Amino acid sequence: GAVVSQHPSRVICKSGTSVKIECRSLDFQATTMFWYRQFPKKSLMLMATSNEGSKATYEQGVEKDKFLINHASLTLSTLTVTSAHPEDSSFYICSARESSTEAFFGQGTRLTVV
Amino acid sequence: GNSVTQMEGPVTLSEEAFLTINCTYTATGYPSLFWYVQYPGEGLQLLLKATKADDKGSNKGFEATYRKETTSFHLEKGSVQVSDSAVYFCALRSAGGQNFVFGPGTRLSVLP
Repeated sequence: GAVVSQHPSRVICKSGTSVKIECRSLDFQATTMFWYRQFPKKSLMLMATSNEGSKATYEQGVEKDKFLINHASLTLSTLTVTSAHPEDSSFYICSARESSTEAFFGQGTRLTVV
Repeated sequence: GNSVTQMEGPVTLSEEAFLTINCTYTATGYPSLFWYVQYPGEGLQLLLKATKADDKGSNKGFEATYRKETTSFHLEKGSVQVSDSAVYFCALRSAGGQNFVFGPGTRLSVLP
């Protein structure tokens, strides 16, 4: 099946700094990418949807200025958590799909803000 | 709006026991239905899917049948293994939609 690579898998950062998470589709062109956040023992909550070359569409309650999403190419999307705080600590997962196929998920990034 | 409900568990079974994880959904039209599995510390992997009523998805001994009349997509396996220990998510994607709606996940622990 198609491969989506997410990097880094784990990151620890200091409060107030910014962290960038990359999501790459390795063997297909991802016209659409999704970013999810997973709280401990909870389900995945969609944060935003991004189409290549367009601004991301954020779900209600997600701060667009805090969670910056860039989808500059058909194989790469990035999520930057700006001015991170401990409450931003979470598991972030991306998924990617071509125009009419199912979506494939990355392995996730565990962010810890100290 | 669309939603997915599944038994939250945790579910603890002995090896070779029969597994059922219930999943029901609310959606307009004819969504596609999925089961994803998440092993500890990892992302989600597609386990199986069904795209129309009465379809049966199957993989690795797991099965689920798309039941339109009961709006259900229950996951079953006849004989679980320790390696099946994971969190299982039921999900739907509406017809023509892009993103998924996930259930809360069910943690399964299989004891030797």
